[in-house]
Amino acid sequence: AQTVTQSQPEMSVQEAETVTLSCTYDTSESDYYLFWYKQPPSRQMILVIRQEAYKQQNATENRFSVNFQKAAKSFSLKISDSQLGDAAMYFCASPEGIQGAQKLVFGQGTRLTINP
Amino acid sequence: DVKVTQSSRYLVKRTGEKVFLECVQDMDHENMFWYRQDPGLGLRLIYFSYDVKMKEKGDIPEGYSVSREKKERFSLILESASTNQTSMYLCASKPSGLAGSEQFFGPGTRLTVL
Repeated sequence: AQTVTQSQPEMSVQEAETVTLSCTYDTSESDYYLFWYKQPPSRQMILVIRQEAYKQQNATENRFSVNFQKAAKSFSLKISDSQLGDAAMYFCASPEGIQGAQKLVFGQGTRLTINP
Repeated sequence: DVKVTQSSRYLVKRTGEKVFLECVQDMDHENMFWYRQDPGLGLRLIYFSYDVKMKEKGDIPEGYSVSREKKERFSLILESASTNQTSMYLCASKPSGLAGSEQFFGPGTRLTVL
């Protein structure tokens, strides 16, 4: 079975600074996607960023970017210029299963605190 | 706007009760999922459905069943609730056929079993 590991249960960062959340995964698929989801306090889980494994270029969405190391099976999330609204649980996820009906395998989550 | 709704945000039930958690999506998605979220464990898949009346067990199906009679609605049933089923339950949906498409989540139901 596929596994996704987030080794940092909690992280904190000063407002306007940069923080990196780590994630490692294990898959036997040759082509796959990786996702970072954000769950703000008492609010719905939303997608932050996704990376397709065959693309060598790291995905970027505004202040959010990934460092994708395919050989090392590492997929970290970098948040630049941290804002108070970035405080949330962050989950790394990788799909498993047949294409189109794929379930997501999630990591344990990292709780990010932003210090003003 | 994309929307997944869940019938209750908070629910308190007694041990042995039959519990129904409802999820509705308005995006005409084929796939729907039920997850359980516990601290330190992340999200774990209970059941998913890839079409009406079709269902597959996830990683932790014991003690749960599901029903999908209509495309937009996916119900999670706890036949006889137990205290170890106290948890946050998240529903999600996604379209089929696109490997990289995201799952859209509902707001969650925090269930307490006394």
